[in-house]
Amino acid sequence: DPKIIQKPKYLVAVTGSEKILICEQYLGHNAMYWYRQSAKKPLEFMFSYSYQKLMDNQTASSRFQPQSSKKNHLDLQITALKPDDSATYFCASSQNWGYYAEQFFGPGTRLTVL
Amino acid sequence: QQQVRQSPQSLTVWEGETAILNCSYEDSTFDYFPWYWQFPRESPALLIAIRPVSNKKEDGRFTIFFNKREKKLSLHITDSQPGDSATYFCAASNYNQGKLIFGQGTKLSIKP
Repeated sequence: DPKIIQKPKYLVAVTGSEKILICEQYLGHNAMYWYRQSAKKPLEFMFSYSYQKLMDNQTASSRFQPQSSKKNHLDLQITALKPDDSATYFCASSQNWGYYAEQFFGPGTRLTVL
Repeated sequence: QQQVRQSPQSLTVWEGETAILNCSYEDSTFDYFPWYWQFPRESPALLIAIRPVSNKKEDGRFTIFFNKREKKLSLHITDSQPGDSATYFCAASNYNQGKLIFGQGTKLSIKP
């Protein structure tokens, strides 16, 4: 059974629209992350959470808003979508935040903005 | 600012040879360096990691060599196999950080 679930697997959106990317982990981890991968910037860190608390935000734009409704959920809301937002978005989790904890990556959501 | 750099961008070696992937970093507070590999259409997965308490970390055919003074490390893959063909990412972090800073990756191809 997959331990980190990301939905949807593929997503096509039009410029200016809003989408929510879903992430759930069933590893019992306390920390969750979002990373983005595109041809221009492979594996770029976006956000980190620990026990549902935002720990680090490297995303300059407020169009990207993480949402943690439960300890094992970390969704990503993206508003006013732009073609430049096209990328694969990976959710990851680790036992703890910091402390050299291994991060496990989910299967990703591939977003295409037209 | 590119804090973690990798070279070469792509590398092709013959099966059975040793592949050497290089990584350098700028921030001297980094004290944790995991290497992730990623196969086409898959997510990154941890391959091997080193903390600078040691200059070398070995796991089977994969070895990390670390030079703290020069802020450089390298991943050596001995007896390369076609199944090792993937993109390898060097990353950096420290004890007080949750985020991983990734390099641009090295695409490794092993010719049978």
